[in-house]
Amino acid sequence: AQSVTQLDSHVSVSEGTPVLLRCNYSSSYSPSLFWYVQHPNKGLQLLLKYTSAATLVKGINGFEAEFKKSETSFHLTKPSAHMSDAAEYFCVVSDYTGRRALTFGSGTRLQVQP
Amino acid sequence: GAVVSQHPSWVICKSGTSVKIECRSLDFQATTMFWYRQFPKQSLMLMATSNEGSKATYEQGVEKDKFLINHASLTLSTLTVTSAHPEDSSFYICSAVDGQGYGYTFGSGTRLTVV
Repeated sequence: AQSVTQLDSHVSVSEGTPVLLRCNYSSSYSPSLFWYVQHPNKGLQLLLKYTSAATLVKGINGFEAEFKKSETSFHLTKPSAHMSDAAEYFCVVSDYTGRRALTFGSGTRLQVQP
Repeated sequence: GAVVSQHPSWVICKSGTSVKIECRSLDFQATTMFWYRQFPKQSLMLMATSNEGSKATYEQGVEKDKFLINHASLTLSTLTVTSAHPEDSSFYICSAVDGQGYGYTFGSGTRLTVV
């Protein structure tokens, strides 16, 4: 079985300050991990994915995440928030085969204050 | 990159009618497609997995007679919400898996409102 826990339902930052969205995972196998972003009433956009290559993964729009097996974490960070980053973020896990459905975390709503 | 087209993007229907949602992979063959449902301010919940040419596998608690899934070709899966009721109002999203390295690709979602 696999699961993800997003530790914060809401995160609020000021524009220009760092962003940290926390995610812990549980998986019986070597997982593939993803971060997706969803803007209101829109579909999902892939920010980045980890598939057992480099533990520090760089994604789009300046986001990156670090896979830490010892901590079973996959936190998402960005050095400087932009107003356009305000959205819902989902941490997602898949099993090693890549054939099974993704399991989504509960989501973190990021607010960016001017 | 891989593209999944989902239509319609929004639909309003009367209670008791049926609604069909289409999910097409435009530039790759999708051997497996997934259907998710998302209630307001909640996460995505898997409804069912469809494999081309075979019956869909439904998650526990999802009524297969109400949510009919057809995956007749490698590029098209459809979800039909039969005898829709207001509680079926939700955001439905499909996802396709390809075997060529693109991984998971999501459609843009369908907002269903049953009145």
